[in-house]
Amino acid sequence: DTAVSQTPKYLVTQMGNDKSIKCEQNLGHDTMYWYKQDSKKFLKIMFSYNNKELIINETVPNRFSPKSPDKAHLNLHINSLELGDSAVYFCASSQFGTGDEKLFFGSGTQLSVL
Amino acid sequence: AQSVTQPDIHITVSEGASLELRCNYSYGATPYLFWYVQSPGQGLQLLLKYFSGDTLVQGIKGFEAEFKRSQSSFNLRKPSVHWSDAAEYFCAVGETGGYNKLIFGAGTRLAVHP
Repeated sequence: DTAVSQTPKYLVTQMGNDKSIKCEQNLGHDTMYWYKQDSKKFLKIMFSYNNKELIINETVPNRFSPKSPDKAHLNLHINSLELGDSAVYFCASSQFGTGDEKLFFGSGTQLSVL
Repeated sequence: AQSVTQPDIHITVSEGASLELRCNYSYGATPYLFWYVQSPGQGLQLLLKYFSGDTLVQGIKGFEAEFKRSQSSFNLRKPSVHWSDAAEYFCAVGETGGYNKLIFGAGTRLAVHP
């Protein structure tokens, strides 16, 4: 059973379109994240939600809007896609306060904006 | 501000040889330190982590890392590399008591020659 699953795995779209990436975790964790990995493999946090509440919001264009309907899901919606949005987006989850905080990552969504 | 430096972008070793991947961090307090591995097309998998205690930590797949506060380093080692170890390796630092806002290094790509 996949612990953190993201869909779709690949997403190819035109500039200006709106798209969503979905993420679900079945680990019972209370915290979920979105990370962006650029073409040089550099990973940077975008957002984090704890129990459906936004707790980390890095300097990300407001075209990116995360939504957490429940603590097992954290979706990422992107409006008006731009070429520079092309990257691999990773969802992750963790359980806060256990003293053993570690992230479990999904396998990534490769977004290509043409 | 926190930062992580992985000085080696690309390393090539022969199968069976020993390996050391370097990681230096900048953080004011005692950090949480992590090493993750990313195989092609995959998400990140945790190899090992350091929170406190013994400065030599053992991880999965025969990896170990040593925390050296005086050098602000957390180098990853393996005594004998296998061809399946070829991957991208990321060092990361997290805030103690924080919501796992991990700061990643730029990664080191490991190639293994037969």
